[in-house]
This record gives sequence, C-alpha cells and structure tokens, in this order.
Amino acid sequence: EPEVTQTPSHQVTQMGQEVILRCVPISNHLYFYWYRQILGQKVEFLVSFYNNEISEKSEIFDDQFSVERPDGSNFTLKIRSTKLEDSAMYFCASSAESNYGYTFGSGTRLTVV
Amino acid sequence: EDQVTQSPEALRLQEGESSSLNCSYTVSGLRGLFWYRQDPGKGPEFLFTLYSAGEEKEKERLKATLTKKESFLHITAPKPEDSATYLCAVQAETGNQFYFGTGTSLTVIP
Repeated sequence: EPEVTQTPSHQVTQMGQEVILRCVPISNHLYFYWYRQILGQKVEFLVSFYNNEISEKSEIFDDQFSVERPDGSNFTLKIRSTKLEDSAMYFCASSAESNYGYTFGSGTRLTVV
Repeated sequence: EDQVTQSPEALRLQEGESSSLNCSYTVSGLRGLFWYRQDPGKGPEFLFTLYSAGEEKEKERLKATLTKKESFLHITAPKPEDSATYLCAVQAETGNQFYFGTGTSLTVIP
C-alpha cells in the first residue's frame, strides 16, 4: 500500500536554529498538507499546498514557517528560527482529491531545547 | 467557529463488549467527516469518510454513522488490537483543512 514517508523520525535542535522537515507524498496525489500535534493536544492544521502554491494556512503558520516542493517528489516544511513551543510531532499528509481522506506519514518528532 | 467534540475522552472495554464513540460537530457547511485511528507515536490512519446525513460505512468491527450534528463510531465485539485513539475530523465547504477533535482513547482488555 502506498505510504507517505517522513524524515527524520526525530530531530533535536537548539532554540533559534533552522530546521527542515522532509516528506515524500504518495506519487499520484495532488494535495499536500502539514499538521502538527503538541503532546496530549489536538492535531492542528498548518498549511495546505496545491498546484505549487499554498492554498490555505492557519494562524500558526506565521513568517517563521515556509513550505516547498523543490523537485516534484519531496515536500518540505522549514522553520526558520525555532522556539521552544515549536516542539511537537509534525505530520505530512497527502490526498488525491481535496475532500478525500488524507494519508498521513508517521511524523517527525521535533524537540527544541 | 468550526468545532469538533469527541466523547468519551477515554473508554475501557472488555474484549467482546460493544460500544460507541461520539463526535459532535459544528461547521459552516459540512464537506466531509473523517474517522482516523492513531496508535502511540504514529500518524493518524484513515478509516472512513462520511459526506451526508444518513450515510453509513463499515470496516470489519467498525461502523461509522452520520447525522446533521454528530457521528458515531460503533465498535462491535472489540479485540485488544482495536486499542488506539480514535480521531474525528471535519472539513468545511469553505476550505481544505481538517478540524480534529481531541480523540477517544480506547483500551480493550483481554
């Protein structure tokens, strides 16, 4: 069964450092998403991406965040200057249509120290 | 504001003891309601999509139903391997994002 692949599975970074979280969505999917889940809290929407541009973003997705699809297969989330409160599980997801259930990756656990 | 509330927060069942999980929602025009299963440290795993009131979907021991205000996930004769957190999410007509509830943590005791 096709999978969404995320790397790394765990990243520890110093506060103020830049991090890039990587995702390989399912190959024939057109819609890509980033969500995050702070420990013990809800899964929260960050951003959706379609046709090489951001289609929707939440209040969480401020100027410190950016997304890219650099080569037609990878989909990345960059956090420019990490804060302690950015510590969370970050999930990438993709779907074939905008109203279909997403396929989520296994997540990257980001720990900011 | 679009909201999703799940109950109960936690549920312990004996193996074989059927029960239901609830997801109440308020959304400005429902585009779809989604059920996911999440195991510890893993990403949510897609179970069902429901698009309109009266719709039902089934998969093994799970059955999801939808009304205009809520959805139920019925678990028939659960097994220990059904232990997980079950998440409900809604998608509004006005956007692509999913609004997730906090989930129901299900434990099935052998």
